[in-house]
Amino acid sequence: KQEVTQIPAALSVPEGENLVLNCSFTDSAIYNLQWFRQDPGKGLTSLLLIQSSQREQTSGRLNASLDKSSGRSTLYIAASQPGDSATYLCAVNYGNNRLAFGKGNQVVVIP
Amino acid sequence: DGGITQSPKYLFRKEGQNVTLSCEQNLNHDAMYWYRQDPGQGLRLIYYSQIVNDFQKGDIAEGYSVSREKKESFPLTVTSAQKNPTAFYLCASSIESGRDNEKLFFGSGTQLSVL
Repeated sequence: KQEVTQIPAALSVPEGENLVLNCSFTDSAIYNLQWFRQDPGKGLTSLLLIQSSQREQTSGRLNASLDKSSGRSTLYIAASQPGDSATYLCAVNYGNNRLAFGKGNQVVVIP
Repeated sequence: DGGITQSPKYLFRKEGQNVTLSCEQNLNHDAMYWYRQDPGQGLRLIYYSQIVNDFQKGDIAEGYSVSREKKESFPLTVTSAQKNPTAFYLCASSIESGRDNEKLFFGSGTQLSVL
């Protein structure tokens, strides 16, 4: 059974610092990996999707890497802003777009 | 304004009662999904549907039922057999579930609580 782990569970950083969020998964047989953002009491917003054949994806200040063989992904957020405060969820697609999720990285950016 | 609409935002269930959560999408997506989120836990898949009139169990289907009579609608019923229904329920959709390179789009969720 696929298990997804996100470390650290929670972190606080001063505004302007770069954020590094880690995700690991136990089964490398994945189709893709997605990073989502969730604000309190809200749904999920897709940030980046990395196909299993790709090594990284970038969107603005966000960059996500994928090392499928070692079961790891990292989300980098450059020059963090208070508006980046949220929970970030990593999810791996194990077929038919069914996703296995980690518990999330809860981020607070301090102004 | 395209998207996924979940209703109600908050729902309360009495002991022994069945309740139904609504999920509607106007994205013309074939595939729809229901996830459950508990505090401090990852989302878990309850049911998914790849096409109208077809659906499959996810990892935690016991105590739940679904229907997919229309492409745009995928209601979830939480039955009295579900002994721990308090959770945040999220509905999602994707263009096709058979193409494993599609993003999932999520609704804003329904918080279900037991009275």
